[in-house]
Amino acid sequence: AQSVTQPDIHITVSEGASLELRCNYSYGATPYLFWYVQSPGQGLQLLLKYFSGDTLVQGIKGFEAEFKRSQSSFNLRKPSVHWSDAAEYFCAVGAFTGNQFYFGTGTSLTVIP
Amino acid sequence: KAGVTQTPRYLIKTRGQQVTLSCSPISGHRSVSWYQQTPGQGLQFLFEYFSETQKNKGNFPGRFSGRQFSNSRSEMNVSTLELGDSALYLCASNEGNRETQYFGPGTRLLVL
Repeated sequence: AQSVTQPDIHITVSEGASLELRCNYSYGATPYLFWYVQSPGQGLQLLLKYFSGDTLVQGIKGFEAEFKRSQSSFNLRKPSVHWSDAAEYFCAVGAFTGNQFYFGTGTSLTVIP
Repeated sequence: KAGVTQTPRYLIKTRGQQVTLSCSPISGHRSVSWYQQTPGQGLQFLFEYFSETQKNKGNFPGRFSGRQFSNSRSEMNVSTLELGDSALYLCASNEGNRETQYFGPGTRLLVL
């Protein structure tokens, strides 16, 4: 069965510092992977996605993620965090058949000045 | 294109009542999925509709139901509301299987 694990419930970083959010997935085939961001009281906004090809994908707002099949990981990174990046981040995998997405439990990011 | 819209944005109901939430997908998207988001359970898949047919259903009781209209707009209904139904209900649309899902802002439901 498909599943997604985000081991870090909450992360605090200083503004300007680098960021890495971890995501591990369990999937029986080549996964479709996504990172979404959610600001308080809002819906989910797509940051980036991986379907195939280059394992390093670029997204919006300066985010990137690297797909590592050997580690079943799809970690999200940003070289320099801005205060406006404070939000909840969700990793998701698309089902092999059907249209269901499986989400991780999310990582809450706090940015301190 | 306009994004996914959901109405109403906020709703307060009492136990035992029923509620209907509405979702208008991005123009051209025929698939609409619904998710329930709570602090304890995270994002849980409710169901998906494609071309007016339910294609997939999550593990929720029969009190949760939905439908889709010919213009792809979708509604979900929750009957006999319970306190535990308090949540953010998110709707997402896409063009089909394994395509990116685009989410609406959600409907915040509070059951008293």
